Amino acid sequence: DAKTTQPTSMDCAEGRAANLPCNHSTISGNEYVYWYRQIHSQGPQYIIHGLKNNETNEMASLIITEDRKSSTLILPHATLRDTAVYYCIAYNAGNNRKLIWGLGTSLAVNP
Amino acid sequence: GAGVSQSPSNKVTEKGKDVELRCDPISGHTALYWYRQSLGQGLEFLIYFQGNSAPDKSGLPSDRFSAERTGGSVSTLTIQRTQQEDSAVYLCASSSDRGLNIQYFGAGTRLSVL
Repeated sequence: DAKTTQPTSMDCAEGRAANLPCNHSTISGNEYVYWYRQIHSQGPQYIIHGLKNNETNEMASLIITEDRKSSTLILPHATLRDTAVYYCIAYNAGNNRKLIWGLGTSLAVNP
Repeated sequence: GAGVSQSPSNKVTEKGKDVELRCDPISGHTALYWYRQSLGQGLEFLIYFQGNSAPDKSGLPSDRFSAERTGGSVSTLTIQRTQQEDSAVYLCASSSDRGLNIQYFGAGTRLSVL
């Protein structure tokens, strides 16, 4: 599966949009981009995934560039409860079903 | 149950003792995963069960680690002769066998080896 690269940490003001970037320049055509987050002392939580098209759900939006080499997770109105580590993962659903987890981005939402 | 349940939530043991960690997946989920997470690190894959297939044990760090899944549901991760470097949070996840492998996680077991 493709390796992903994310900034180590980011800050965001409460109520503002949080835009978390992810680079996956070696992604292959059948690999999806998944986002999970992990709030302190909890297990990871699935947020959203996409292949080529932009996606939106009740938690977030996912913007994937046309060349698929990078993506951005958008939390439109960040709250203090969105403070967490956010993981971007490239995953081939046809492969061995192991998700490869990096260190993610530690997002701090500040009042 | 409604979510993935893990027990105990915390376990303190002495070096050299054996420990068993339990995971109860979401009902109906055929896939079950064990991960380990050391402080400040990402998740490290340990083992994966899928239905009746042979488990993928490729992530187990040593032969002191083993896991089983009885009846296609509950799973137990066993660590024999624990070492201090085994101290970590052990996370279990389950997913349905429907292609996209969205994993649902338990809260984890925090293992401390003294």
